[in-house]
Amino acid sequence: QQQVKQSPQSLIVQKGGIPIINCAYENTAFDYFPWYQQFPGKGPALLIAIRPDVSEKKEGRFTISFNKSAKQFSLHIMDSQPGDSATYFCAASRTDSWGKFQFGAGTQVVVTP
Amino acid sequence: DAGVTQSPTHLIKTRGQHVTLRCSPISGHKSVSWYQQVLGQGPQFIFQYYEKEERGRGNFPDRFSARQFPNYSSELNVNALLLGDSALYLCASSMGTGNQPQHFGDGTRLSIL
Repeated sequence: QQQVKQSPQSLIVQKGGIPIINCAYENTAFDYFPWYQQFPGKGPALLIAIRPDVSEKKEGRFTISFNKSAKQFSLHIMDSQPGDSATYFCAASRTDSWGKFQFGAGTQVVVTP
Repeated sequence: DAGVTQSPTHLIKTRGQHVTLRCSPISGHKSVSWYQQVLGQGPQFIFQYYEKEERGRGNFPDRFSARQFPNYSSELNVNALLLGDSALYLCASSMGTGNQPQHFGDGTRLSIL
């Protein structure tokens, strides 16, 4: 049972475009939503995270939008660069879950020059 | 500062064998979590350890076990290996429990022949 559903599976944008990745969750007890970036042969690297009391968070070119009522959150990559080409994962966890993260299936983003 | 280190980086085993994977957390981090990442999918939670005690367990068979040592490093053991155990095994460390940012190592790529 997939608790976090991520879409699209893959995405191709031109340099400077804004790839948008969406995630939806069912468990309303989730209260921490991180995004990870993974390059081939590497482990996931934490990009940015948000908690449900905030509707938007920006860190550099990465922005998370959070819609608590819809149980959805999304990642926007502003002014995307070829170096942003990677697989992106959303995740969700509960404070009382001892750090057990539920990950989405991942989105492969390709940014063309 | 050194990140999460995992060893070995690659491992090839045959069905029925057992394997031990090792993880050293970031200095000062007391919590270690293990994840299995099958090719093309998001990481799946296996275990979390904090202060040498198991605090969380995912939906994995009893062939999977782990432990954490006084220096907070950790081992993941898998017995009676199956072809389906072929995956990237990731270790993540965090400061403590609950919704702390988790930082991943680059994983151990396990191939079962």
